[in-house]
Amino acid sequence: LAKTTQPISMDSYEGQEVNITCSHNNIATNDYITWYQQFPSQGPRFIIQGYKTKVTNEVASLFIPADRKSSTLSLPRVSLSDTAVYYCLVGSFGNEKLTFGTGTRLTIIP
Amino acid sequence: GAVVSQHPSRVICKSGTSVKIECRSLDFQATTMFWYRQFPKKSLMLMATSNEGSKATYEQGVEKDKFLINHASLTLSTLTVTSAHPEDSSFYICSARGIGDEDQPQHFGDGTRLSIL
Repeated sequence: LAKTTQPISMDSYEGQEVNITCSHNNIATNDYITWYQQFPSQGPRFIIQGYKTKVTNEVASLFIPADRKSSTLSLPRVSLSDTAVYYCLVGSFGNEKLTFGTGTRLTIIP
Repeated sequence: GAVVSQHPSRVICKSGTSVKIECRSLDFQATTMFWYRQFPKKSLMLMATSNEGSKATYEQGVEKDKFLINHASLTLSTLTVTSAHPEDSSFYICSARGIGDEDQPQHFGDGTRLSIL
């Protein structure tokens, strides 16, 4: 299972765009990248998933460079409710075992 | 979307009590479910993989006789913390993915906070 490295914490002001980068240097060819958000006392909630280039949905964008050794989660115009821990995970289709890293504790400042 | 439900959401009980936590997939079937434990300010740690109709697979360092897992149907897995002690106090979370959805993300329950007095 590819190991991931993220910043432990980040702060941002409301209304800003926030980019959280995750390193996964030993990602395998059949691995995909998934980001989850977790609020206190709740289970992780799926945000976005991708394999290469760029993926966008209604809440975030995921940028993956050609070498796939890193990925960046982009949250547009954050609000106080985006304060949470964000986890980057790498795993292959069918390999259901997920290994959570430390995550990034994002704090949004009014 | 796919929903995973855990029950109870919170348990407070005396030391020595056995506690059962249920994990249900509400609108899909899952041959495999996963149980995690999370201590305050820490990340999720996989405890075991629950397999429908067969024995669970435990991660290294997790006592199978302490944490009993039963996956009797395609929509229900249970985790029983036997003879719980204060050090077992933690946040327990389950996850599952639907059959045939191997390219889809796992869905997580909202966790069960276990407090042993």
